[in-house]
Amino acid sequence: RKEVEQDPGPFNVPEGATVAFNCTYSNSASQSFFWYRQDCRKEPKLLMSVYSSGNEDGRFTAQLNRASQYISLLIRDSKLSDSATYLCVVLGGDSSYKLIFGSGTRLLVRP
Amino acid sequence: DGGITQSPKYLFRKEGQNVTLSCEQNLNHDAMYWYRQDPGQGLRLIYYSQIVNDFQKGDIAEGYSVSREKKESFPLTVTSAQKNPTAFYLCASSILPSGGGRMNTEAFFGQGTRLTVV
Repeated sequence: RKEVEQDPGPFNVPEGATVAFNCTYSNSASQSFFWYRQDCRKEPKLLMSVYSSGNEDGRFTAQLNRASQYISLLIRDSKLSDSATYLCVVLGGDSSYKLIFGSGTRLLVRP
Repeated sequence: DGGITQSPKYLFRKEGQNVTLSCEQNLNHDAMYWYRQDPGQGLRLIYYSQIVNDFQKGDIAEGYSVSREKKESFPLTVTSAQKNPTAFYLCASSILPSGGGRMNTEAFFGQGTRLTVV
């Protein structure tokens, strides 16, 4: 089993749609969780950190469920510019502090 | 400006040659990471380091070597033992969690090095 697993995608949605990405992680001791965005042939950039209480940044909402070891990202009112690959990232829970990336979910927002 | 710099952006090498990719950060981060990304794939961890003069293997360390002689620098050498070295290589850095805290531990990335072996 992979340490971090994501929906494989791709997701193809119309502008204005709401889309949700899911991610599960295997290490119950993991400490920190993030969503990154990666555009084609570019480096990943932080979209948002994910906190236990859930957090929102404009059209983006992230949720963490520690009991189920599950992270989600919700994008409301999708824009063409949201088209990218979304990466779920987990900071390892042991003393090694490895940053483990999911394989990413590709989103294509169409006009 | 603080940041993380990888060089070169593009690199071409002949098969059988070792090549070293540079990664420098001036963010005063303790942790540094090297990832490999193949087309259409996710990031796979090659090596990581939490402190000067110490580093650990990631999931795909075979055929690679690193050093961490300075806090700011974490160069990656792709050796001739790496069977399929052509890929996009990404370096990242972050602070380490302190005590029970976990805030601001996100990683910052360099722009990457595209290595092509011919």
